[in-house]
Amino acid sequence: KNEVEQSPQNLTAQEGEFITINCSYSVGISALHWLQQHPGGGIVSLFMLSSGKKKHGRLIATINIQEKHSSLHITASHPRDSAVYICAASSMEYGNKLVFGAGTILRVKS
Amino acid sequence: ETGVTQSPTHLIKTRGQQVTLRCSSQSGHNTVSWYQQALGQGPQFIFQYYREEENGRGNFPPRFSGLQFPNYSSELNVNALELDDSALYLCASSRDSSRTEAFFGQGTRLTVV
Repeated sequence: KNEVEQSPQNLTAQEGEFITINCSYSVGISALHWLQQHPGGGIVSLFMLSSGKKKHGRLIATINIQEKHSSLHITASHPRDSAVYICAASSMEYGNKLVFGAGTILRVKS
Repeated sequence: ETGVTQSPTHLIKTRGQQVTLRCSSQSGHNTVSWYQQALGQGPQFIFQYYREEENGRGNFPPRFSGLQFPNYSSELNVNALELDDSALYLCASSRDSSRTEAFFGQGTRLTVV
């Protein structure tokens, strides 16, 4: 079992739909990161959170420390949101190095 | 724009050769981490450097080595390349190794033939 698990692996949505990507982790964390990766590889940090909820534009990230679970929500999805979304844990067990999930491939159709 | 640049963007090497990948971090970022991302998978931690010293290593053989320089640049060196080394190599920098945001470069796509 991977230390950071994401679901779903693949997600296709219609433009305008509300999207949720889930992340569960088994390691002790100091922070949970949500990252976006476009074709070509570059990774952009969307959120870093250790408790509660953060919002940036149409993106919302939540974390439940007790349940070791985080979600990334996209409201009013748009084709330009199509990308790979990766959650990564800053793991206290590994000196705060990032442990990554496998990613969720999101495709938003117009 | 993350302020982290990697070079080259793409590279093709032959099995058995050696390769050096470079990363230029933001000024003041004392920590740089390198990751390997195989196709369809999440990145895997290779190693981290903090103030020019190795500060943790993942499950990679010794032929993967690194350097960090005082000017916030760093290198990843891979000797005796194998076909399975074909991947996207990412560097990420941050101010320190604790709870600070990491900034990623665009990656170097290495193909070993």
